[in-house]
Amino acid sequence: EPEVTQTPSHQVTQMGQEVILRCVPISNHLYFYWYRQILGQKVEFLVSFYNNEISEKSEIFDDQFSVERPDGSNFTLKIRSTKLEDSAMYFCASRGREQSGNTIYFGEGSWLTVV
Amino acid sequence: AQKVTQAQTEISVVEKEDVTLDCVYETRDTTYYLFWYKQPPSGELVFLIRRNSFDEQNEISGRYSWNFQKSTSSFNFTITASQVVDSAVYFCALSRANAGNMLTFGGGTRLMVKP
Repeated sequence: EPEVTQTPSHQVTQMGQEVILRCVPISNHLYFYWYRQILGQKVEFLVSFYNNEISEKSEIFDDQFSVERPDGSNFTLKIRSTKLEDSAMYFCASRGREQSGNTIYFGEGSWLTVV
Repeated sequence: AQKVTQAQTEISVVEKEDVTLDCVYETRDTTYYLFWYKQPPSGELVFLIRRNSFDEQNEISGRYSWNFQKSTSSFNFTITASQVVDSAVYFCALSRANAGNMLTFGGGTRLMVKP
């Protein structure tokens, strides 16, 4: 069964460092997302991406964040200068065409620890 | 604005008991989608079900069943004859019907099934 894959599964970084989280969405999907979950809290939307541009973003997704689809398979989330409060699980997700339904499938997450 | 409320933060049951997880949502949209996801201790988000707002038929899948009541804006999830492997955090989520389709999650219900 196709799945969303994410790397790394866990990263520890120093405050102020840049971090890139990588995702390979399901191959025929068109819509891509990043969500985050601070430990013990609910899952929060960060950004959605369609047709090579951001379609929607939350107030969490400020200038420190950026997304990119550098080739036909990868979808990345970059945090330019990490802060302690960026420590969270980051989930990548993808969705197919309308005809295939509106289910969003999630990867296993990348756990980011900022020290 | 959309909102999902899962009033039960934690539920503890003994194996083989039935348990119902409550979900209440708010939206101004007439067309929307409701979801349940399972987050086991390993951390990934596992899709369980999607329900369209225009389809109020209840659904059963093995030991899982869902009761969608538009009149009360509720989408409750019942596990029959619970098992230890059902122990997880369960999230209810809501999305609009547009292309961006971001999910708004509830706070989650932690279910602990004891042997």
